[in-house]
Amino acid sequence: DSGVTQTPKHLITATGQRVTLRCSPRSGDLSVYWYQQSLDQGLQFLIQYYNGEERAKGNILERFSAQQFPDLHSELNLSSLELGDSALYFCASSEGFGAASYEQYFGPGTRLTVT
Amino acid sequence: AQKVTQAQTEISVVEKEDVTLDCVYETRDTTYYLFWYKQPPSGELVFLIRRNSFDEQNEISGRYSWNFQKSTSSFNFTITASQVVDSAVYFCALSEAPGNTGKLIFGQGTTLQVKP
Repeated sequence: DSGVTQTPKHLITATGQRVTLRCSPRSGDLSVYWYQQSLDQGLQFLIQYYNGEERAKGNILERFSAQQFPDLHSELNLSSLELGDSALYFCASSEGFGAASYEQYFGPGTRLTVT
Repeated sequence: AQKVTQAQTEISVVEKEDVTLDCVYETRDTTYYLFWYKQPPSGELVFLIRRNSFDEQNEISGRYSWNFQKSTSSFNFTITASQVVDSAVYFCALSEAPGNTGKLIFGQGTTLQVKP
């Protein structure tokens, strides 16, 4: 158990809908990262927050947004869902930001199925 | 641009065989970090190792060992005396240093099947 929690574990929804994925980092970790794992694209970095501020952005669609709240939990919002958004979404956390000193610990993932 | 290539899509071995998973990376940075993660059938990603670009010493942890060679831009992972529990998808990843956000660039993964 990495200490990172993600809810829900599974989510099935229809095209055009909006969903929210939730992540609670390990105790003491200030950085949260979101990744998407799909058969087509593999594991891709989406976005990173550090202590409530956005730090880095990857291949995140405009239909997707995220935020990190004062209690450090993070939410990833996916809207106008398409079939191609079906994937496993991981949240990871680390103590700080930067690979120099901090490993990223991954949550169990949320499996999103868009029908 | 940073890129990680894991040319082996799937490897199948019989228990107790040694197996090496290849990883080749591309980066223009002189300072960078390399990682290996394991994704067992249960789906979570488990951190195995981090190595920085200035440390080319090989590392051994039990049955696991890693060979980092900057000259060939490779960071290969060897499992000695493989076991069925080693069956998983293994990902090699790269993290840039400039800006140093820590975001990971993953390879496509190698699926390892260890048969009893």
